[in-house]
Amino acid sequence: AQTVTQSQPEMSVQEAETVTLSCTYDTSESDYYLFWYKQPPSRQMILVIRQEAYKQQNATENRFSVNFQKAAKSFSLKISDSQLGDAAMYFCAYRDAELIFGKGTKLSVKP
Amino acid sequence: SAVISQKPSRDICQRGTSLTIQCQVDSQVTMMFWYRQQPGQSLTLIATANQGSEATYESGFVIDKFPISRPNLTFSTLTVSNMSPEDSSIYLCSVTGTGPYEQYFGPGTRLTVT
Repeated sequence: AQTVTQSQPEMSVQEAETVTLSCTYDTSESDYYLFWYKQPPSRQMILVIRQEAYKQQNATENRFSVNFQKAAKSFSLKISDSQLGDAAMYFCAYRDAELIFGKGTKLSVKP
Repeated sequence: SAVISQKPSRDICQRGTSLTIQCQVDSQVTMMFWYRQQPGQSLTLIATANQGSEATYESGFVIDKFPISRPNLTFSTLTVSNMSPEDSSIYLCSVTGTGPYEQYFGPGTRLTVT
């Protein structure tokens, strides 16, 4: 069965600095999708970024980018120029037949 | 992305009662999902609801406890029946998006059972 592991329960970053959140997954599939979701205290799950496994190029969305290492089954999220509004829970997710979430990383942003 | 609303946004209920949560989407969608997020935890899929067919439940969730309706392509309800304090969670509705394999989520319903 597919699993998603986020090894950092909590992370902290200074405002305007860069932070990287880690995610690894386990699958025997070759074609799948990976996602990062953000859940602020309002609890709304917001799709941050998506990566197709067949694409070698790392996805980028403004200040958010990923480092996708397919062979290593690693999918980290880099947040550049961190802002106070980035403070939230971040969930890594793998999709094959269904969406499978990691346990999340709580990101704090210090002013 | 689809705009999803849920009602109620939160509720406090007594043990043994039932609560029905509504999910409304601003566009027609084929697949709708219901998730549970227990305090401080990740999301767990309860069931998948397709219009015109019975919902498909994940292991550990049963229809008698979590009956689901899907009367049309924009609406679904989840009922949490015979509630106990262990049912205190956030319940989220989700739909597939126009992009491949994307899913979008409603704002969630925070349920507290006393």
